[in-house]
Amino acid sequence: SQQGEEDPQALSIQEGENATMNCSYKTSINNLQWYRQNSGRGLVHLILIRSNEREKHSGRLRVTLDTSKKSSSLLITASRAADTASYFCASMDSSYKLIFGSGTRLLVRP
Amino acid sequence: ETGVTQTPRHLVMGMTNKKSLKCEQHLGHNAMYWYKQSAKKPLELMFVYSLEERVENNSVPSRFSPECPNSSHLFLHLHTLQPEDSALYLCASSQDHLAGSSYEQYFGPGTRLTVT
Repeated sequence: SQQGEEDPQALSIQEGENATMNCSYKTSINNLQWYRQNSGRGLVHLILIRSNEREKHSGRLRVTLDTSKKSSSLLITASRAADTASYFCASMDSSYKLIFGSGTRLLVRP
Repeated sequence: ETGVTQTPRHLVMGMTNKKSLKCEQHLGHNAMYWYKQSAKKPLELMFVYSLEERVENNSVPSRFSPECPNSSHLFLHLHTLQPEDSALYLCASSQDHLAGSSYEQYFGPGTRLTVT
């Protein structure tokens, strides 16, 4: 898998359900960030978790980080149609560059 | 609005043209970035500027030439591009790009470039 690869590539759920997206990375990191992108637009930062943190919350978002498995997950609770977007994880490597994955396309059906 | 603007939003150019993309950030940040987003490929970092100095050139062909005249403005000059250069070009800024920094990046809306 590539650095910061997300799984699944696409996810379709009903409004109100929870959405879980996973991310794997290859090298050691300083932090891992999640971004959201609406179709053809810029990315919006959602949440940052540092390498010494295991879990972080922000509103309906919950992010976990397992550095032993080089993986992270993003949970969106009580999803809304407006959550429909692509979600990217980005790992900040030792040279402080962000390495993005291919993204998960989330569709929340009303 | 993220505080980062990009112009133009759409650009169609021939392979012999010369054009420039512009990015401006209104956040007082010290670092700016150019990324390329192609269909079905991860976002690719192209250039990083910190305090107006280029600190990263990610093996980008010389037909892409960045310029950072001050900490608020970033340009990407384009010449003799190829059709495979068609993509969404995203500019971003962050508070700093220094050892020990862990700052999030703020992205502009992007320029959709088509090379014919």
